[in-house]
Amino acid sequence: DGGITQSPKYLFRKEGQNVTLSCEQNLNHDAMYWYRQDPGQGLRLIYYSQIVNDFQKGDIAEGYSVSREKKESFPLTVTSAQKNPTAFYLCASGLGQRETQYFGPGTRLLVL
Amino acid sequence: GENVEQHPSTLSVQEGDSAVIKCTYSDSASNYFPWYKQELGKGPQLIIDIRSNVGEKKDQRIAVTLNKTAKHFSLHITETQPEDSAVYFCAASNFGNEKLTFGTGTRLTIIP
Repeated sequence: DGGITQSPKYLFRKEGQNVTLSCEQNLNHDAMYWYRQDPGQGLRLIYYSQIVNDFQKGDIAEGYSVSREKKESFPLTVTSAQKNPTAFYLCASGLGQRETQYFGPGTRLLVL
Repeated sequence: GENVEQHPSTLSVQEGDSAVIKCTYSDSASNYFPWYKQELGKGPQLIIDIRSNVGEKKDQRIAVTLNKTAKHFSLHITETQPEDSAVYFCAASNFGNEKLTFGTGTRLTIIP
């Protein structure tokens, strides 16, 4: 069963805590992306990776970090430096530049 | 960078009528334009896309038109059904740009 999976579905973060969101794909896609979605707004790009062991900052990278050690996996860490982390986080993957991106089901992050 | 504007932000249509959502983009080099449908609490799903070498593309009740001169593209949904109710996002991507720029979304409500 091919696709993109994200876990957990809901995540709670305490003040000063780092949390990591998981994204896995078995579509054999080279490119992977992380977006943040706030109510009533579009999708804003946090980080993206076109190939293993390489990634670039998107439009709102401050307070976030990523790694791309495997083609299938692109975890996102929301650090304590991100002062307003409450949002819906979406992971996507695709064949690369200017190609279709396919989205996972999302993780909703809430701050306690 | 690229800027994508989307209108209207909300749209209500009677079941069976047509719905039209419009987007404009700023970068004349943009050449890939996907449309996504997002249901509540889920990730966006690609419903149709168009590349700049064609002016129109159709898939059953859904069509997209592109006017490169005016730098706008539109989503047309005919014979609307209750399951068409969702938020729709347009996006644009240009040659040499590794990322999609999204519009702010249109909440479409189909009135039974």
